[in-house]
Amino acid sequence: ILNVEQSPQSLHVQEGDSTNFTCSFPSSNFYALHWYRWETAKSPEALFVMTLNGDEKKKGRISATLNTKEGYSYLYIKGSQPEDSATYLCAFGSPGGNEKLTFGTGTRLTIIP
Amino acid sequence: ETGVTQTPRHLVMGMTNKKSLKCEQHLGHNAMYWYKQSAKKPLELMFVYNFKEQTENNSVPSRFSPECPNSSHLFLHLHTLQPEDSALYLCASSRTSGGSDSYEQYFGPGTRLTVT
Repeated sequence: ILNVEQSPQSLHVQEGDSTNFTCSFPSSNFYALHWYRWETAKSPEALFVMTLNGDEKKKGRISATLNTKEGYSYLYIKGSQPEDSATYLCAFGSPGGNEKLTFGTGTRLTIIP
Repeated sequence: ETGVTQTPRHLVMGMTNKKSLKCEQHLGHNAMYWYKQSAKKPLELMFVYNFKEQTENNSVPSRFSPECPNSSHLFLHLHTLQPEDSALYLCASSRTSGGSDSYEQYFGPGTRLTVT
């Protein structure tokens, strides 16, 4: 059974502050690491897909890094805004052709205006 | 709008009922997925279809029966469910993965299922 851990489980951040959270995954048999944002009453939305050790990806104020050797990824949000409030999910992809993603339980982020 | 629609959005059914969940994607993807999310648990993969062929069954009980008539449509037929099957059921689609590439999945809004 694959273990994908996310921490913290929940986080309250003042508007304008920057924040980050962690996804830990098995360091062996790595294929891909996905990040998704899931706003309440909406569909999960893909943020990043990372496949190479040392990958760093950015989308606006959100960025992510990947360390496959030690089995972790960080998601950073710079200058948090109320619209960043959501649950952030990471998912570990195993090799084997199709995307068999194992999801973490997520980090619930609330931005305080 | 993600390009993936699911119907119904909410469903209440008794343990002896038979119902079906429907998913449709307008993205030209060849892979489709069913996920289950129970309270306080991570998203759990149930089934994967690739070019209409089932390629993954994650030890799902037979009271859940998937059907994929073409690459754009996916169904989940439900019969004699248990109260513990109450959950949010999400459908997703993606480009077919293979080799060294990995593609993001596009999710529908989900069906909130309550089994009484």
